[in-house]
Amino acid sequence: EVVMTQSPATLSVSPGERATLSCRASQSLSSNLAWYQQKPGQAPRLLIYGASTRATGIPARFSGTGSGTEFTLTISSLQSEDFAVYYCQQYNNWPETFGQGTKVEIK
Amino acid sequence: EVQLVESGGGLVQPGGSLRLSCAASGFSFSIYSMTWVRQAPGKGLEWVSYISSSSDTVKYADSVTGRFTVSRDNAKNSLYLQMTSLRADDTAVYYCAKKDWVKGLDSWGQGTLVTVSS
Repeated sequence: EVVMTQSPATLSVSPGERATLSCRASQSLSSNLAWYQQKPGQAPRLLIYGASTRATGIPARFSGTGSGTEFTLTISSLQSEDFAVYYCQQYNNWPETFGQGTKVEIK
Repeated sequence: EVQLVESGGGLVQPGGSLRLSCAASGFSFSIYSMTWVRQAPGKGLEWVSYISSSSDTVKYADSVTGRFTVSRDNAKNSLYLQMTSLRADDTAVYYCAKKDWVKGLDSWGQGTLVTVSS
């Protein structure tokens, strides 16, 4: 099983600042990596797929980079609606696995 | 607009069974693979099961293998998860999600809560 490790567990950021979230895989994924955003009481929402492609309707302030085993989600200028939990997920191998999540909170 | 609506959750005793359903609309259900993902209270996301568009391939997490069965009825645009021998650690919100081989899980339902407790 591919183990996905996200860091940090919690990120405290002020509105307007940049947030950088990391996701590491225990083996190479090529680019089969997605990022999801989840707000309290809501279902997850796809943000990024293929490691770097924004899903439909996702603002340009969200960007994804990386390949192989190291991946990054960057939110260039945090808006109030971006405070949430973010998960990475690999869909390169069975079982598909998620990271444990990074909570982005208001500083 | 893609819509996925789960149902069938509830309170069940340990060792009991439950069948979850997911009604799909707004896309060609029969050509897409589907996935179940769960989330225990206050915890992260856990991939549970996958079924291909024609049901010829199914996959399960180790934690549910032998106890859960995924199925679908393309004529009814519906996905199912039959859960047996339920345990307390199966307590979670269960989401169905549409799987795209390029995009990952690109649409999710709102989830249905399963509580396993005596």
